[in-house]
Amino acid sequence: LAKTTQPISMDSYEGQEVNITCSHNNIATNDYITWYQQFPSQGPRFIIQGYKTKVTNEVASLFIPADRKSSTLSLPRVSLSDTAVYYCLVGDIPSGGYQKVTFGTGTKLQVIP
Amino acid sequence: GAGVSQSPRYKVAKRGQDVALRCDPISGHVSLFWYQQALGQGPEFLTYFQNEAQLDKSGLPSDRFFAERPEGSVSTLKIQRTQQEDSAVYLCASSTRTGAAGPGYEQYFGPGTRLTVT
Repeated sequence: LAKTTQPISMDSYEGQEVNITCSHNNIATNDYITWYQQFPSQGPRFIIQGYKTKVTNEVASLFIPADRKSSTLSLPRVSLSDTAVYYCLVGDIPSGGYQKVTFGTGTKLQVIP
Repeated sequence: GAGVSQSPRYKVAKRGQDVALRCDPISGHVSLFWYQQALGQGPEFLTYFQNEAQLDKSGLPSDRFFAERPEGSVSTLKIQRTQQEDSAVYLCASSTRTGAAGPGYEQYFGPGTRLTVT
């Protein structure tokens, strides 16, 4: 399983764009990159997933350079409710049928009023 | 629709007691995962079920941990003779996906059961 490295914590003011970068130097050809968000006392929640280039949904954007050794989660105009821990995961789904992933310690984002 | 539910939400056990934690996955989800999350850490994989078959139990920390999913829906994680190091949040997740890789694969998590062993 590819290991990921993310900043332990980040602070941002409300209304700003936040970019959280994750390093995954040993990513394998079949690996997808997935980001989850976790609020206190809740389970993680899927945010976005990508394989290469750029993916955008209603919540975030995910930028993946050509070498795929890193990825950046971009949260536009954060609000206080975006204060959470963000996990970058790398893994694939082998033909055996399930995605075994490693969450790591994540990035704790604190949004400041 | 209903998400993944877990019960109880909180459990306090005295050291040496047995506990059983329940997970109700989203109806029709084939895959079910259990994770253990220590304070300040990310979730760590414990075990995986595909329907009623336990395909991977490599993350179970000791033989005191046992999981089952007899009818391919509800799952129970049992911990025998609890120890203080078992104190953690136990998360259950389910997914529709199995088989070949592809985009859109996500796990739906429950709120977790916080176990405190005193």
